[in-house]
Amino acid sequence: DTGVSQDPRHKITKRGQNVTFRCDPISEHNRLYWYRQTLGQGPEFLTYFQNEAQLEKSRLLSDRFSAERPKGSFSTLEIQRTEQGDSAMYLCASSLDTNEKLFFGSGTQLSVL
Amino acid sequence: SQQGEEDPQALSIQEGENATMNCSYKTSINNLQWYRQNSGRGLVHLILIRSNEREKHSGRLRVTLDTSKKSSSLLITASRAADTASYFCATDAAGGTSYGKLTFGQGTILTVHP
Repeated sequence: DTGVSQDPRHKITKRGQNVTFRCDPISEHNRLYWYRQTLGQGPEFLTYFQNEAQLEKSRLLSDRFSAERPKGSFSTLEIQRTEQGDSAMYLCASSLDTNEKLFFGSGTQLSVL
Repeated sequence: SQQGEEDPQALSIQEGENATMNCSYKTSINNLQWYRQNSGRGLVHLILIRSNEREKHSGRLRVTLDTSKKSSSLLITASRAADTASYFCATDAAGGTSYGKLTFGQGTILTVHP
């Protein structure tokens, strides 16, 4: 069990650029979640995958955001045409469908200038 | 949107003292979980309490749940400087097919002074 891995740890980009983050969940976990956390707040749910199927998307996830989980393994979160309001910590988590406990990665801190 | 409120927003204590954090939520739940987050890092699961449970212990942690008041508390006994972190409650809402989607509170920042 190597834990949930996220890459990169930090990303600085200019407004209008596209960015992509990667998450590698714990290998046997079939559930994968993306959350967003802004300073001083708790994480907010963005989207959820059961294996390769994206089963729910939050209204927070505008059409500039897209997430994939090909083959039910790693996941990517892409933000197109970034805005300053996208600046946040993007957290990935995974779990087994027999256990409600979530395992979080260390997150990707995005700063949009 | 945030599920509820955590109280206090910040707590500062001395090593060896107990720390109590409270969480209120709005909807019926399947379970409530507490997580810890060190600055700039991911969250670590501490303890889970189900809606039909009233109290649970894990090491120096004690969690209570009052579903009639829609509230929970986390007690950390004999605190240590290493307990310094932000603590979040998170609820798994009842109804529908539960898949572990959690709604987090705003957190309590705990500082333990050596």
